[in-house]
Amino acid sequence: EAEVAQSPRYKITEKSQAVAFWCDPISGHATLYWYRQILGQGPELLVQFQDESVVDDSQLPKDRFSAERLKGVDSTLKIQPAELGDSAMYLCASSLAVGRGHVGNYGYTFGSGTRLTVV
Amino acid sequence: SQQGEEDPQALSIQEGENATMNCSYKTSINNLQWYRQNSGRGLVHLILIRSNEREKHSGRLRVTLDTSKKSSSLLITASRAADTASYFCATDEDNAGNMLTFGGGTRLMVKP
Repeated sequence: EAEVAQSPRYKITEKSQAVAFWCDPISGHATLYWYRQILGQGPELLVQFQDESVVDDSQLPKDRFSAERLKGVDSTLKIQPAELGDSAMYLCASSLAVGRGHVGNYGYTFGSGTRLTVV
Repeated sequence: SQQGEEDPQALSIQEGENATMNCSYKTSINNLQWYRQNSGRGLVHLILIRSNEREKHSGRLRVTLDTSKKSSSLLITASRAADTASYFCATDEDNAGNMLTFGGGTRLMVKP
């Protein structure tokens, strides 16, 4: 069964350092999402891509977070500088759904996530 | 921001019992989905119910949707210890561009 690949699985970094996460979605899935999940809470959307374009990044803290999906396939999420409050699980998901105005009624496939601890 | 509110936040039952989790949301939706998450892992899609559907079944799962009350329920019948996990509802809101908004989750523990 096809999977969404994420790496690293775990990351410990010191505050003020830069950190990057990588995601490879399921082949053929045009839409890719990055979510952040704080322990004990539900995931919250950071950024949504359709192919290489950003569809929604309204919840992305753009002063320190950046995301790209240059060739419309895999994606990188970066935090610079990391803060203590960034400690969370970062989840990548992909879907066959396309963007605004289209009701795809598709579920998401999530990767296993990257657990970030900022010390 | 989180649109869905799950109830209860935590549920503990014995193996073989049924587990019911509820979800309420605020805006008009295209569909509502339920996901499962084992501790420290990613989420797994369980079932999707469209806004024009009222009930859906998948194995031991039964989902209902009441759009007039903006609520949904997930029933797991004949629970097993392996069902222990967190369960999240997620809504695909009208005009939101296939972006899911998740609730806070129900933590289910099934005791053997």
